[in-house]
Amino acid sequence: DAGVTQSPTHLIKTRGQQVTLRCSPKSGHDTVSWYQQALGQGPQFIFQYYEEEERQRGNFPDRFSGHQFPNYSSELNVNALLLGDSALYLCASSSGTGGPQPQHFGDGTRLSIL
Amino acid sequence: GNSVTQMEGPVTLSEEAFLTINCTYTATGYPSLFWYVQYPGEGLQLLLKATKADDKGSNKGFEATYRKETTSFHLEKGSVQVSDSAVYFCALSDQNAGNMLTFGGGTRLMVKP
Repeated sequence: DAGVTQSPTHLIKTRGQQVTLRCSPKSGHDTVSWYQQALGQGPQFIFQYYEEEERQRGNFPDRFSGHQFPNYSSELNVNALLLGDSALYLCASSSGTGGPQPQHFGDGTRLSIL
Repeated sequence: GNSVTQMEGPVTLSEEAFLTINCTYTATGYPSLFWYVQYPGEGLQLLLKATKADDKGSNKGFEATYRKETTSFHLEKGSVQVSDSAVYFCALSDQNAGNMLTFGGGTRLMVKP
């Protein structure tokens, strides 16, 4: 049973560029959430997708956008990259029904901005 | 808004010592509470959870009790091992705010042989 998978593992970009990160949820999960984890800090919620719609959004600018596909996989896009966007980006999946469900995390994509 | 505060680390212990990592929370509704663990170079793994007051979550010798009166969810283990060295995150999710997780800043645990 595959867990949450994310790609790529590492990525290096320069300021002003755009990046796309990808996530496949755990089998049986239909909800995908994205988090940003800066070095030495706890993860911060970016947004959540369910039924291909953005269901909830954290305090992140519009440069951060996402998409969910019919197979429940998801992408996170970041435009006009800033040095401060350097972080570990974590994807988490869960089941969207049946009350609060634990979220299962992937190993993340480490994004470095030069 | 919701928030989670946990004790700052690093916490350094000798093998077989008793562990406590403090966690307190602020929430507008009736949250579920979680402890996640992060090993170097990896994502977060769910360690244990509690969904209502007085529930005790437990796993792999770790346990935490949901205390509504003190808004706390302290993590404990009676005898730590070197393999427990990791960063531990306390988190909450509140149905009033969807299923998003709000995390504390993390506590690094280092266990020496």
